[in-house]
Amino acid sequence: AQTVTQSQPEMSVQEAETVTLSCTYDTSESNYYLFWYKQPPSRQMILVIRQEAYKQQNATENRFSVNFQKAAKSFSLKISDSQLGDTAMYFCAFIHRSSNQFYFGTGTSLTVIP
Amino acid sequence: NAGVTQTPKFQVLKTGQSMTLQCAQDMNHNSMYWYRQDPGMGLRLIYYSASEGTTDKGEVPNGYNVSRLNKREFSLRLESAAPSQTSVYFCASSVLLALTDTQYFGPGTRLTVL
Repeated sequence: AQTVTQSQPEMSVQEAETVTLSCTYDTSESNYYLFWYKQPPSRQMILVIRQEAYKQQNATENRFSVNFQKAAKSFSLKISDSQLGDTAMYFCAFIHRSSNQFYFGTGTSLTVIP
Repeated sequence: NAGVTQTPKFQVLKTGQSMTLQCAQDMNHNSMYWYRQDPGMGLRLIYYSASEGTTDKGEVPNGYNVSRLNKREFSLRLESAAPSQTSVYFCASSVLLALTDTQYFGPGTRLTVL
């Protein structure tokens, strides 16, 4: 079975500080993709960052970076210099290459405090 | 470019009523998807369409039907709404079927079934 676990339902961080959101997944496949999506109060799902499992280098997008530990099946998201606009629900998602099934975690609600 | 649009934004139905949720994308994407999002849960795939004229079941297809009217439009129909279908529904699209491709989401439709 493929599952995605986000163990932190809620988190908060002071503006300009750094925060890390955790995600673990379970799969028997070796070729897969991982995503972090952001869902602000507007409810629009927005892609934050994407990681291919075959790449050892951690993906980065401006203030967002991941710590991808394939052996541990861990995919955490680090947000640096947190901004008020980062307040949102963050979802970790997983799909393996041979599947048509997208698996989402239950989300982490992040609040950035001024 | 409007991206992915969904109508309506909100809808209240009585048990047994039917309705169709509309989705359109103007990015010339081949693949489109319907998800539902329930409190405390991630997104779950209802149906998807690899390309115009094809549709396939996702994780939770029961109680729904879909139509890929053309390349731009992908509708979701509830023939006889049930309270268990109260949810937020998201449409998404991607260039290719491979769900490893980046998906672009619409703003969602909040549906309440009384």
